[in-house]
Amino acid sequence: DGGITQSPKYLFRKEGQNVTLSCEQNLNHDAMYWYRQDPGQGLRLIYYSQIVNDFQKGDIAEGYSVSREKKESFPLTVTSAQKNPTAFYLCASSSWTSGDTIYFGEGSWLTVV
Amino acid sequence: QQQVKQSPQSLIVQKGGISIINCAYENTAFDYFPWYQQFPGKGPALLIAIRPDVSEKKEGRFTISFNKSAKQFSLHIMDSQPGDSATYFCAASKETSGSRLTFGEGTQLTVNP
Repeated sequence: DGGITQSPKYLFRKEGQNVTLSCEQNLNHDAMYWYRQDPGQGLRLIYYSQIVNDFQKGDIAEGYSVSREKKESFPLTVTSAQKNPTAFYLCASSSWTSGDTIYFGEGSWLTVV
Repeated sequence: QQQVKQSPQSLIVQKGGISIINCAYENTAFDYFPWYQQFPGKGPALLIAIRPDVSEKKEGRFTISFNKSAKQFSLHIMDSQPGDSATYFCAASKETSGSRLTFGEGTQLTVNP
């Protein structure tokens, strides 16, 4: 099946620990994205990548890091510098053409205690 | 900097009624306006989209109305059903930003049986 796979679905971490969220797509899309979702604040863009080995900061990149070594993969690391990391994280992909559909994964719930 | 403003934040409609969600944008360079539907615990999925060269687009019970001069667009759900209960996001993009979307804050729709 074609789509976007995020793992893990649920993740608990202690404060001060880095955590990496996985995102894999088999849609042959050039562009990939990471969004954060908090109640009442919609979807906020963390990082995006238009092409392999290149990525750009979104609106709330502080405390996060990414890599894009393969077209299919775009992992997100939530570092200890992120002050409020508990959230629902969504990975997405698309072609880079304006008007093309952005497809989302099922999301990862991160809880930091 | 919120470039797409969405209202209301929440909406309760009776089964068979009309649900209306509104969005306003600031950037006149935006040229693609999609609506996404998100069920609890899932990623958003494209519902319907419009370009500014038309004032209305209808797909089944879902209609987008677009007012370019007012920089506003809205989603109308006719004959609303309990299965339509979800969070709806409007979004916008511009050609120079590829497929990157700016999302509204979201509207949580509840359709009572």
